[in-house]
Amino acid sequence: DAKTTQPNSMESNEEEPVHLPCNHSTISGTDYIHWYRQLPSQGPEYVIHGLTSNVNNRMASLAIAEDRKSSTLILHRATLRDAAVYYCILRDVGELGNTSGAGSYQLTFGKGTKLSVIP
Amino acid sequence: DVKVTQSSRYLVKRTGEKVFLECVQDMDHENMFWYRQDPGLGLRLIYFSYDVKMKEKGDIPEGYSVSREKKERFSLILESASTNQTSMYLCASSIGGLGTQYFGPGTRLTVL
Repeated sequence: DAKTTQPNSMESNEEEPVHLPCNHSTISGTDYIHWYRQLPSQGPEYVIHGLTSNVNNRMASLAIAEDRKSSTLILHRATLRDAAVYYCILRDVGELGNTSGAGSYQLTFGKGTKLSVIP
Repeated sequence: DVKVTQSSRYLVKRTGEKVFLECVQDMDHENMFWYRQDPGLGLRLIYFSYDVKMKEKGDIPEGYSVSREKKERFSLILESASTNQTSMYLCASSIGGLGTQYFGPGTRLTVL
């Protein structure tokens, strides 16, 4: 799987926008960009995903660079409940046709970015 | 909302005991997963099931087995628990191969 690089940690003030970057310079044409987050003492939860175009949902926005070598997760107004570790993950749609078993389906989490929100 | 529940949040067992971790999902998902999460190592896939009675090994299946007798339930079994199996265990489910994975709250297992 193509790798992603994220800063280890970031800080934001409450009610300010937060931009969480992710570099994925070796991304392939069939890689989707997924973001998950993990709040303290909880399982990961899905945030958003995209392929080429920018995406919005109720939780966040995803901005994807034109060359797709980087992306940014945008939280429009950080709240204390957004303090979590955010993971940027690439998932290769092209692998789904392979009979490689679990490898096609598992999520590969890196170290992620620990976001602290300051009241 | 999709709900994935795990039988225990915290569990303490002794070395050599047989341990059952249960996971139930309520959204009729075909795929279910067991991961373990350790500091510095991220999430690692133990086993995956894509249908009732079907399973595939993940990256670290040694010392574990699984059971999926019903679509909504996926059990992880530690046949003889060891101290190096002390970890956070996370269950997830998804629909389709690239489907969003929905995680349970996790079970923190300590093996003494």
